[in-house]
Amino acid sequence: QVQLVESGGGVVQPGGSLTLSCAASGFTFSRNAMLWVRQAPGKGLDWVALIGNDGSDKYYADSVKGRFTISRDTSKNTLYLQMINLRTEDTAVYYCVKDLHWGAGDYWGQGTLVSVSS
Amino acid sequence: QSALTQPRSVSGSPGQSVTISCTGTSSDIGGYDYVAWYQQSPGKAPKLMIYDVNKRPSGVPDRFSGSKSGNTASLTISGLQTDDEADYYCSSYGGTYTFVVFGGGTKLTVL
Repeated sequence: QVQLVESGGGVVQPGGSLTLSCAASGFTFSRNAMLWVRQAPGKGLDWVALIGNDGSDKYYADSVKGRFTISRDTSKNTLYLQMINLRTEDTAVYYCVKDLHWGAGDYWGQGTLVSVSS
Repeated sequence: QSALTQPRSVSGSPGQSVTISCTGTSSDIGGYDYVAWYQQSPGKAPKLMIYDVNKRPSGVPDRFSGSKSGNTASLTISGLQTDDEADYYCSSYGGTYTFVVFGGGTKLTVL
């Protein structure tokens, strides 16, 4: 069965950095694009980034462009999200999502909480 | 402000049908047949209910159906059950600049 397990969340000060990881299993990781989607406390879903199946294509929401970097390591079946210059508005649960196609996520991880606070 | 517009809340009684709308633009919903709908219960990750406007993943009951007309997509839930009470989000492919856009979410209450 498909499993997506995020890690790396925590509390960080504004301007700080954090890298999230997502360990994938139960499917052929190299065949699917992957996404990060976040949800601020009590708010709706917010798309963050998408990476193509081979890692060559990357897309970002305007709100994170230039600060976040999505990447993947097929040898480790792992998806990453490097986040720098974090802002208080980046506080959210970050979900790792397997792309079915065209941005529709058919499997979601349990999420990891990132809290940006001084 | 979300890119796609959904009603904040809808409600219905067990056994009834409800429809949730999701309005976008010709750059997202109107331009592509790549609308998805998600169900999210409190404290849980979202679950894909509909993709490609009207396709259901394996295991999703046929009480859930999707449609689209112009720049507006809709999710209809027939034969409402108490278990259907949750938040529902729509999303659409938005082109290569904004790959995915979400709606603000709709809280479904089953009275």
